[in-house]
Amino acid sequence: GENVEQHPSTLSVQEGDSAVIKCTYSDSASNYFPWYKQELGKGSQLIIDIRSNVGEKKDQRIAVTLNKTAKHFSLHITETQPEDSAVYFCAPLGGGNEKLTFGTGTRLTIIP
Amino acid sequence: GAGVSQTPSNKVTEKGKYVELRCDPISGHTALYWYRQSLGQGPEFLIYFQGTGAADDSGLPNDRFFAVRPEGSVSTLKIQRTERGDSAVYLCASSLTGDYGYTFGSGTRLTVV
Repeated sequence: GENVEQHPSTLSVQEGDSAVIKCTYSDSASNYFPWYKQELGKGSQLIIDIRSNVGEKKDQRIAVTLNKTAKHFSLHITETQPEDSAVYFCAPLGGGNEKLTFGTGTRLTIIP
Repeated sequence: GAGVSQTPSNKVTEKGKYVELRCDPISGHTALYWYRQSLGQGPEFLIYFQGTGAADDSGLPNDRFFAVRPEGSVSTLKIQRTERGDSAVYLCASSLTGDYGYTFGSGTRLTVV
């Protein structure tokens, strides 16, 4: 099965600074790479995703970059705001697997 | 509805009892997934439906766990003879086709006492 690792496990940044979370995976056939945000008492919310045919995707303050050769993808949040505080999960989808394998999560805390 | 709906949001049950957890996916989504999330961990895959059939049930921990989706829409996760180790948040997600764009529900927090 897919092995997924996420780093760091916790991250604190000053409001307005940038945050980067990295996800490494093992299945070279993985073809879909989403990031989820989980706030207390809520389900996991898809915030950005990327398919294997592109290297970068941006949506306002959030971006995802993919390095298929090295088998990792990263979440970038710029101009961080207090509402960005949450736990973030990567969940690559294995090729032909049709199920997401979640990383262990990163607790992001934005310091006002 | 607009999102994935899960009921109940919280369930407390006694050890040994039977429970049912319900998931209402987004209308038209053919793929439906159940995940289980224990405290401090990422969601773990339980079962995946494509339409009415379970395409992959490899994540179900044992035969006390069973899930159905008889009409290809609502799904029910059933747990027999509950154990304290079953306590977790059970998440449901749906996707239009199964290969991207998953939407998660808010989960059912199951506590077995």
